[in-house]
Amino acid sequence: EAGVAQSPRYKIIEKRQSVAFWCNPISGHATLYWYQQILGQGPKLLIQFQNNGVVDDSQLPKDRFSAERLKGVDSTLKIQPAKLEDSAVYLCASSPSGGDTQYFGPGTRLTVL
Amino acid sequence: DQQVKQNSPSLSVQEGRISILNCDYTNSMFDYFLWYKKYPAEGPTFLISISSIKDKNEDGRFTVFLNKSAKHLSLHIVPSQPGDSAVYFCAAGRISSGSARQLTFGSGTQLTVLP
Repeated sequence: EAGVAQSPRYKIIEKRQSVAFWCNPISGHATLYWYQQILGQGPKLLIQFQNNGVVDDSQLPKDRFSAERLKGVDSTLKIQPAKLEDSAVYLCASSPSGGDTQYFGPGTRLTVL
Repeated sequence: DQQVKQNSPSLSVQEGRISILNCDYTNSMFDYFLWYKKYPAEGPTFLISISSIKDKNEDGRFTVFLNKSAKHLSLHIVPSQPGDSAVYFCAAGRISSGSARQLTFGSGTQLTVLP
């Protein structure tokens, strides 16, 4: 069974530029999560989708971050414009509907200069 | 407000000995707990979990203990192997909306197993 796929794996941008990350969850997993992991910290939830609907985006900085999950499968997370403090690893995870365990992709390491 | 805390940023043990990683939580609404292992440049990998109705769960060399009254859980690895060297994250789960679950993570403990 294929795991969670993410791309790109690495991205370097200048501050005020925009960037987008893509995630393809495990087939059949209804719930999809985006996390931000800053160096030395644990993953922090940004947004949670159930199929193509948003369950929780309370921790998403909506003035610059946006996310969508069209057709309830793939998802895209966008940052526009990026700030220095957005430098982090962005992790995507998925779980079956009602499942307790989340399965993570390899992450995208973003560096904002 | 850190709801899940891993107070030891690092731990070193000798190969073959026991590794004990600790985690404390504050929110009584958490009803499910997990440990993830993370290698550099990879995403966290699920290791073992425990429901709040249990106090112990074992899977091979890995055992998780839960003390609900103390809001404390621990991961025991016996015997420790060099390949176990990684960052270990404790996570606590609760129902957020409908049947959807949310996890809150600790800051991780770097385990180094010395040959």
